[in-house]
Amino acid sequence: GAVVSQHPSRVICKSGTSVKIECRSLDFQATTMFWYRQFPKQSLMLMATSNEGSKATYEQGVEKDKFLINHASLTLSTLTVTSAHPEDSSFYICSASPAGADTQYFGPGTRLTVL
Amino acid sequence: GENVEQHPSTLSVQEGDSAVIKCTYSDSASNYFPWYKQELGKRPQLIIDIRSNVGEKKDQRIAVTLNKTAKHFSLHITETQPEDSAVYFCAASIGEKLTFGTGTRLTIIP
Repeated sequence: GAVVSQHPSRVICKSGTSVKIECRSLDFQATTMFWYRQFPKQSLMLMATSNEGSKATYEQGVEKDKFLINHASLTLSTLTVTSAHPEDSSFYICSASPAGADTQYFGPGTRLTVL
Repeated sequence: GENVEQHPSTLSVQEGDSAVIKCTYSDSASNYFPWYKQELGKRPQLIIDIRSNVGEKKDQRIAVTLNKTAKHFSLHITETQPEDSAVYFCAASIGEKLTFGTGTRLTIIP
């Protein structure tokens, strides 16, 4: 149980374009999902907390207009990187917790490369 | 906010020996401490966790200890095997929000 999927696994795009990443909880409902960014050989940095039916909560230093988050259902959250630039190239990972649980289960991640 | 420090950043251990990774946290309100293992290019996988009302927890070759007074917790891996080679992250949680340590790259030497 507690499986989280993410799509796409890899994406290469041109500078200035937008990229949408989907995160799904497959066998449980998640009122809250989390989006992380991980640069090579670094730790996971929380970008934002995605709340079903309400606005996401962004961490300090993360531009909410650049990283658009939508959590329209209890099993799906999306992250859209708008006007992507090479410095946005990174590994983006989502996570979710079943209701009432502390444990976060991670998606497989999306490697974004912006040319 | 919470700050989690993790040491060492790299650790090489002879196969069969034990490995210990240590973390400290800053916020005494943190109450949940998971450990994740991440292989290159893959998702972090939960390997063990401990809550603040427990001092020690063990699962086969893996154990975690928590000292709430000192605000530190440790991961212990015994009888290490080559497949234990990976990056390990500790984390501390207040409510739902996890703060991760900087990671430890563990290499098991055959």
